[in-house]
Amino acid sequence: AQTVTQSQPEMSVQEAETVTLSCTYDTSESNYYLFWYKQPPSRQMILVIRQEAYKQQNATENRFSVNFQKAAKSFSLKISDSQLGDTAMYFCAFMNPLGNQFYFGTGTSLTVIP
Amino acid sequence: GAGVSQSPSNKVTEKGKDVELRCDPISGHTALYWYRQSLGQGLEFLIYFQGNSAPDKSGLPSDRFSAERTGGSVSTLTIQRTQQEDSAVYLCASSLGRATSGTQYFGPGTRLLVL
Repeated sequence: AQTVTQSQPEMSVQEAETVTLSCTYDTSESNYYLFWYKQPPSRQMILVIRQEAYKQQNATENRFSVNFQKAAKSFSLKISDSQLGDTAMYFCAFMNPLGNQFYFGTGTSLTVIP
Repeated sequence: GAGVSQSPSNKVTEKGKDVELRCDPISGHTALYWYRQSLGQGLEFLIYFQGNSAPDKSGLPSDRFSAERTGGSVSTLTIQRTQQEDSAVYLCASSLGRATSGTQYFGPGTRLLVL
């Protein structure tokens, strides 16, 4: 079975600074999908960024970027120029090639300090 | 609708009672997913529908859990003879086509408390 590990239960960052959230996973699949989701206190889960394992180029979405290391099975999220609205729980997730199985990490609670 | 909606938003029930949780996906979204989020834990994938069909039900925690989807739209997650360990937030998501090609959009969840 696939597992997703987020080793940082809580993190904080000063506004406008950069922070990196860690995620590792375990799988025997060669092709798969990885995601970072954000869950603010309102509870609505929002997709932050998505990476297909067959793509070597790291995905970026505005201030959010990933460092995807396939051999190391690592998928970290970098948030640049942190904003107060980035305060949320962040979940790393794995999806199998067929798109019918999902595995989430336990989350990292990020607080952006003014 | 504008987004995925779920009802009720909160549900308190007594141990042993049955509950039904409803999910209305975004119009036109063929794929629908149910997850469970327990306190202090990540999301646990429960079941996935493509249209009205759920090809793999192995993610459901026990035979007390069942889900159906009718008309390729609304889905209901039913928990029979609820137990205290069923207390959690149940999240629904939908995507246009399979999740390999489409983004999952999540609803606000139903918070279930079993007393």
